[in-house]
Amino acid sequence: AQSVTQPDIHITVSEGASLELRCNYSYGATPYLFWYVQSPGQGLQLLLKYFSGDTLVQGIKGFEAEFKRSQSSFNLRKPSVHWSDAAEYFCAVGLRTGGFKTIFGAGTRLFVKA
Amino acid sequence: DTAVSQTPKYLVTQMGNDKSIKCEQNLGHDTMYWYKQDSKKFLKIMFSYNNKELIINETVPNRFSPKSPDKAHLNLHINSLELGDSAVYFCASSQMTGETQYFGPGTRLLVL
Repeated sequence: AQSVTQPDIHITVSEGASLELRCNYSYGATPYLFWYVQSPGQGLQLLLKYFSGDTLVQGIKGFEAEFKRSQSSFNLRKPSVHWSDAAEYFCAVGLRTGGFKTIFGAGTRLFVKA
Repeated sequence: DTAVSQTPKYLVTQMGNDKSIKCEQNLGHDTMYWYKQDSKKFLKIMFSYNNKELIINETVPNRFSPKSPDKAHLNLHINSLELGDSAVYFCASSQMTGETQYFGPGTRLLVL
């Protein structure tokens, strides 16, 4: 069965430090891959997505993610974290099964220290 | 200009009641979704509609009945509410291909 694993429930980084959020997926083929961000009390916003092509994808707010087929990973990175980045981050896999179905990971909560 | 809107934002009700949540999108999309986010933030798809037709139904209890009067609206009616229905319900929309989904702000349902 398809699944998405985010091994870190929460991560704390200092403002200005670099960030990497891990994501591994289980799927037979190359899936559609996404990272979403959810600020407290808000809906989800798409940060970036990967479908094919260049395995390093750029997103909004200075985020990027790299697809590594050999590791079944799609880790999210940001070189310098801002306090406003504190939020919940969800990795997701998209599948075509009649309709388009998105399977989400459990999320990683990011805390930013001043 | 809100792209995907949901009403109400908060809903507190008693067990056994029936309630509805409304969703509207002004993006011209033809596919809409309902997701449930539980207390542990786990997010799972419930339903997907394309051009008013149900295309994904993820083993949701039949107390939950989505209704799509037109492409811009997807409402969720819940009968005989149970404590376990307490969650945040998100509506989303996309083009038919589905890869880029836009989420509403969520409806926080609390069943007492």
